[in-house]
Amino acid sequence: AQTVTQSQPEMSVQEAETVTLSCTYDTSESNYYLFWYKQPPSRQMILVIRQEAYKQQNATENRFSVNFQKAAKSFSLKISDSQLGDTAMYFCAFMKLSGAGSYQLTFGKGTKLSVIP
Amino acid sequence: NAGVMQNPRHLVRRRGQEARLRCSPMKGHSHVYWYRQLPEEGLKFMVYLQKENIIDESGMPKERFSAEFPKEGPSILRIQQVVRGDSAAYFCASSLGWDEQFFGPGTRLTVL
Repeated sequence: AQTVTQSQPEMSVQEAETVTLSCTYDTSESNYYLFWYKQPPSRQMILVIRQEAYKQQNATENRFSVNFQKAAKSFSLKISDSQLGDTAMYFCAFMKLSGAGSYQLTFGKGTKLSVIP
Repeated sequence: NAGVMQNPRHLVRRRGQEARLRCSPMKGHSHVYWYRQLPEEGLKFMVYLQKENIIDESGMPKERFSAEFPKEGPSILRIQQVVRGDSAAYFCASSLGWDEQFFGPGTRLTVL
């Protein structure tokens, strides 16, 4: 079974600064996807960024980028130029692509990020 | 293109009653997933369905919970004889296949 660990229950960052959220995972799979989801106070789950395990290049989406270290099973999220609207819970998630349990997302417990004006 | 729709958004039930949660996937999506989120926790997978088929129900409690995704109409998550421990937010997601899952706004179930 896969596990996802987010070791930072809460973090804060000043507006316009940069913050990095940590995520580690444990799997014996070689073919999988990793995701970061954002859950604002509205509780809607919003995809922030995704990474295919077979790609060596780190994914980027505007102010959001990841540091994917496959051997270390680490998948951190960097938010640059933090904005007040980034205040939310952030969940790291894992999806295997073959075998039993494929396509279901396994989530970490989340990191609560507060952006301070 | 309308997103994933869930209703009701809030549902209150007394212990022993039945809860029926509905999910309409995005247009063209034939894969539906249900997740449960307890307070201060991440989402936990419950069940994965395709039209008229349950593909993976490894996360579903063995009793009182069932799910369906009929040929026509929304997917339904049904909880019989609810207990206080069933109080949670239930999220539905849909996808085209092995790709990004788009989430609905969730149904918050409160059991009195």
